[in-house]
Amino acid sequence: DTEVTQTPKHLVMGMTNKKSLKCEQHMGHRAMYWYKQKAKKPPELMFVYSYEKLSINESVPSRFSPECPNSSLLNLHLHALQPEDSALYLCASSHMANSNQPQHFGDGTRLSIL
Amino acid sequence: EDQVTQSPEALRLQEGESSSLNCSYTVSGLRGLFWYRQDPGKGPEFLFTLYSAGEEKEKERLKATLTKKESFLHITAPKPEDSATYLCAVPSGFSGGYNKLIFGAGTRLAVHP
Repeated sequence: DTEVTQTPKHLVMGMTNKKSLKCEQHMGHRAMYWYKQKAKKPPELMFVYSYEKLSINESVPSRFSPECPNSSLLNLHLHALQPEDSALYLCASSHMANSNQPQHFGDGTRLSIL
Repeated sequence: EDQVTQSPEALRLQEGESSSLNCSYTVSGLRGLFWYRQDPGKGPEFLFTLYSAGEEKEKERLKATLTKKESFLHITAPKPEDSATYLCAVPSGFSGGYNKLIFGAGTRLAVHP
């Protein structure tokens, strides 16, 4: 079992739907991340939150909207997604965004866009 | 530009056949190197952090080592349950002070009985 919990594990949605992915960690970490991973590729960074503030947006389309309600929770709001957005979405956390400590990942949400 | 290259891309071993995976890196000012294991449909599981050349870390059948240019993940007498994709990653300096993780493409290891 990982210490970063993501829900749901699987999500199928149409291109006009609005849905949200959720992530929770209770390790006291102050940095949280969203990654996108396509099959047989390494994770690609999307967003970084440091002390609940958005620090990095890796030029992600606006149909992805992150939110960090508190230091333990991270959401990713989805709207009007495209078929190419189908992927495994991973959440991670680390002690601080500028530290050399490792990031710890959840098991992801498998997203399929019809 | 900071880069991480892993080899081989895929490796097939018989149970008990020891081998090594390679991670070569080019980064300005190494601030650590991380090894992860990823099973299909799961997130990467943290294995080791190495911070300086000459450092070694061990966990069960795995041993990670670090030089100034590369890291090796040695697998001794592997078992089928060691089958997974192994990723290495380094933090890369960023203008905002944030260390972005640069991942290698991974090595897909299959251990057959």
